[in-house]
Amino acid sequence: EAQVTQNPRYLITVTGKKLTVTCSQNMNHEYMSWYRQDPGLGLRQIYYSMNVEVTDKGDVPEGYKVSRKEKRNFPLILESPSPNQTSLYFCASSLSRSNYGYTFGSGTRLTVV
Amino acid sequence: KNEVEQSPQNLTAQEGEFITINCSYSVGISALHWLQQHPGGGIVSLFMLSSGKKKHGRLIATINIQEKHSSLHITASHPRDSAVYICAVRSNTGNQFYFGTGTSLTVIP
Repeated sequence: EAQVTQNPRYLITVTGKKLTVTCSQNMNHEYMSWYRQDPGLGLRQIYYSMNVEVTDKGDVPEGYKVSRKEKRNFPLILESPSPNQTSLYFCASSLSRSNYGYTFGSGTRLTVV
Repeated sequence: KNEVEQSPQNLTAQEGEFITINCSYSVGISALHWLQQHPGGGIVSLFMLSSGKKKHGRLIATINIQEKHSSLHITASHPRDSAVYICAVRSNTGNQFYFGTGTSLTVIP
């Protein structure tokens, strides 16, 4: 089944403890992206990647890192999480620049205390 | 500054009604997407448009590139259509996506 898989679905952590949220897709998509969703603010793009070893900042990259060492994986790294990073996170993928549909992961609800 | 504006924010309809959700954007785009998010959070891509009109079942999406406006229509609405509908645009000057804050639709039996 074609899908984007995020893990974990739920995570509670403490301020400053490094964490990684994984994202993997099995559709050979070039484009992958991370978003956070907050009440009243909607979805905002954190980072995106056009292909292996190519990443770019979105609207709200501060406090986050990403890497794209393999085409299928695009992990989101929080080196030192803070409470304002408590949010619902989504990974998504698509074929490259072509006007193609978008597939979202199921989301990761992160709470930083 | 909001690159994408949606209206209305909230919408309640009786089952069977025709529903329209509007989206206006201020940036140049390569594509516009309509997304559906059900309670529980999963997001599904409904349409991707770069021009004209698309139809899928009871859902119709239109876009007017000159006016920078898109509409999502639901004919013969049903309670299972209750969800948040989100408009998103892909910038044509980079690969960033911008999102509206969503329209929360409730369809009452």
